Amino acid sequence: DGGITQSPKYLFRKEGQNVTLSCEQNLNHDAMYWYRQDPGQGLRLIYYSQIVNDFQKGDIAEGYSVSREKKESFPLTVTSAQKNPTAFYLCASSAHGGVGHFGDGTRLSIL
Amino acid sequence: EDQVTQSPEALRLQEGESSSLNCSYTVSGLRGLFWYRQDPGKGPEFLFTLYSAGEEKEKERLKATLTKKESFLHITAPKPEDSATYLCAVQGKEGGKLIFGQGTELSVKP
Repeated sequence: DGGITQSPKYLFRKEGQNVTLSCEQNLNHDAMYWYRQDPGQGLRLIYYSQIVNDFQKGDIAEGYSVSREKKESFPLTVTSAQKNPTAFYLCASSAHGGVGHFGDGTRLSIL
Repeated sequence: EDQVTQSPEALRLQEGESSSLNCSYTVSGLRGLFWYRQDPGKGPEFLFTLYSAGEEKEKERLKATLTKKESFLHITAPKPEDSATYLCAVQGKEGGKLIFGQGTELSVKP
């Protein structure tokens, strides 16, 4: 079955550490997205990519970085510059102009 | 600026008590409006896409409608398993990104 796989499900970050969240899709979608979800708030867009080797900042890109070297993969790095990283991170993909399909998220916490 | 506002923030219903959730939006050219269901600790699950005013979609106890300024998700005779957070999102013509509302948390008691 086609879908989006996010790993790990839970992740802990130490002070000053960068951590990378994985997102892989086998839907053959061109576009991929990273969202952050905090309690009581909607999904906020961090970065998105509409084609391989190209990506754009979303509304809250500071302290995050991404790469899009392959169509199937869109990893997100939470850097030490992100001072409030505790959140639920969701990856999504879509065909151009189409429905967004989501993974089951990674919950990041601070040690 | 593209924006989506959902109301109410939380809704508690008795089993069988029908109601509606609202999604108001402003977008520079609507490419599509999407409804999702999200269970705790899970990613959103796609429900419906609406493309133009007057369009309606149905799935079991859910029916989504669209006007030029808002969308409604009508829930008829809900059951406890309908309890979840319902998210609305819009996609504008300028880019592919989805803009989400903050969601409505629905609780259906038996």
